[in-house]
Amino acid sequence: DIQMTQSPSSLSASVGDRVTITCRPSQSISRYLNWYQQKPGKAPKLLISAASSLQSGVPSRFSGSGSGTEFTLTISSLHPEDFATYYCQQSYGMPRTFGQGTKVEIK
Amino acid sequence: QAQLVQSGPEVKKPGASVKVSCKASGYTFSHYGITWVRQAPGQGLEWMGWISTYNGNTHYAQKFQGRVTMTTDTPTSTVYVELRSLTSDDTAVYYCARVVAAGTDAFDIWGQGTVVTVSS
Repeated sequence: DIQMTQSPSSLSASVGDRVTITCRPSQSISRYLNWYQQKPGKAPKLLISAASSLQSGVPSRFSGSGSGTEFTLTISSLHPEDFATYYCQQSYGMPRTFGQGTKVEIK
Repeated sequence: QAQLVQSGPEVKKPGASVKVSCKASGYTFSHYGITWVRQAPGQGLEWMGWISTYNGNTHYAQKFQGRVTMTTDTPTSTVYVELRSLTSDDTAVYYCARVVAAGTDAFDIWGQGTVVTVSS
């Protein structure tokens, strides 16, 4: 199985801050990497697919980059509604696997 | 608009089985596979498996092999997941999600989640 390691596991940030989350798969996955946002009590929401393709309706302050064994999700300027948990997920091999999540909290 | 609506909460005793449904609407059912993901209380997301709504092919995570069955009913645009021999470790929110077909295999639309509680 491909192990997905996210860092950090949690972070505290203020509104307006730039935030970067890293995801490292245990093997190369080309660009088969997706990012999700989950708020408490809600289903996850797809933000970015194929490493850098922003989903329709997702604000442009979200961006993704990377390939192979290192990927990043960046929020250029944190908004109040962005406080949530973020997960990366690989769609290169079976079984599909998720990172452990990064909780973005208010400082 | 495309959406997935899941069945209601379940409470089961250890050793029992549970069957959760996921009804699709707003898009062509057979054009997109469905995946199941679960989330134990306070934990992360765990992929359970995938089913093709076109031909019923499945792929299950090894952890659930022999204990899970995913099925599809095209006339009603509904997918089901059945999990047997439940233990307290199966207490979780179970989500279905649509799998994007355009090569990325991302999960673009999610159901609202079904809470399954296993308790004696």
